[in-house]
Amino acid sequence: AQSVTQPDIHITVSEGASLELRCNYSYGATPYLFWYVQSPGQGLQLLLKYFSGDTLVQGIKGFEAEFKRSQSSFNLRKPSVHWSDAAEYFCAVGAHLGDGNEKLTFGTGTRLTIIP
Amino acid sequence: NAGVMQNPRHLVRRRGQEARLRCSPMKGHSHVYWYRQLPEEGLKFMVYLQKENIIDESGMPKERFSAEFPKEGPSILRIQQVVRGDSAAYFCASSPPTLRNNEQFFGPGTRLTVL
Repeated sequence: AQSVTQPDIHITVSEGASLELRCNYSYGATPYLFWYVQSPGQGLQLLLKYFSGDTLVQGIKGFEAEFKRSQSSFNLRKPSVHWSDAAEYFCAVGAHLGDGNEKLTFGTGTRLTIIP
Repeated sequence: NAGVMQNPRHLVRRRGQEARLRCSPMKGHSHVYWYRQLPEEGLKFMVYLQKENIIDESGMPKERFSAEFPKEGPSILRIQQVVRGDSAAYFCASSPPTLRNNEQFFGPGTRLTVL
């Protein structure tokens, strides 16, 4: 069965500093990987996804993630964080459903706090 | 275009009561997914439905839980005879009826508390 590990429960970063959120996955086949962000009281919003091809994926809001098969990792990065980036971030791996869509397995999330 | 709607946002039930959680997908979406987030855990897949069909329910508990997505109206996740362990956040997501690898759009969730 697939699983996702986000080893950092809570990270605090200064505004303007760089950010890296870690994600490790376990999946028997080629994984479909996702990063979602959740602001308080809101639903999850997709930041980016990896299905195949270039292992460096660009997303919305200036985020990017790199798929490293040898390390089973899909870490999320941003060169310079903004106060509005404070939120909960979830990494997910997709397992294929019969019709080509995926059921997602999420990590426990990393809460990001931004300090001035 | 309104996003995925879930209601109620918060639901309190006593042990043994029934809980009904509703999910209205985005306009034009015909696929609905339900996920559950237990305290201190990540979201876990429960069930995947299309209109009037359950496609995959591999994540649903064997007893007391059921889901439907009728031809008209919202998708319903029903929990009978709730127990304290059912306390969690329940998220619904929807995706369009196009080909493969569709993005899932999530609702804000329903927080269920069982007293």
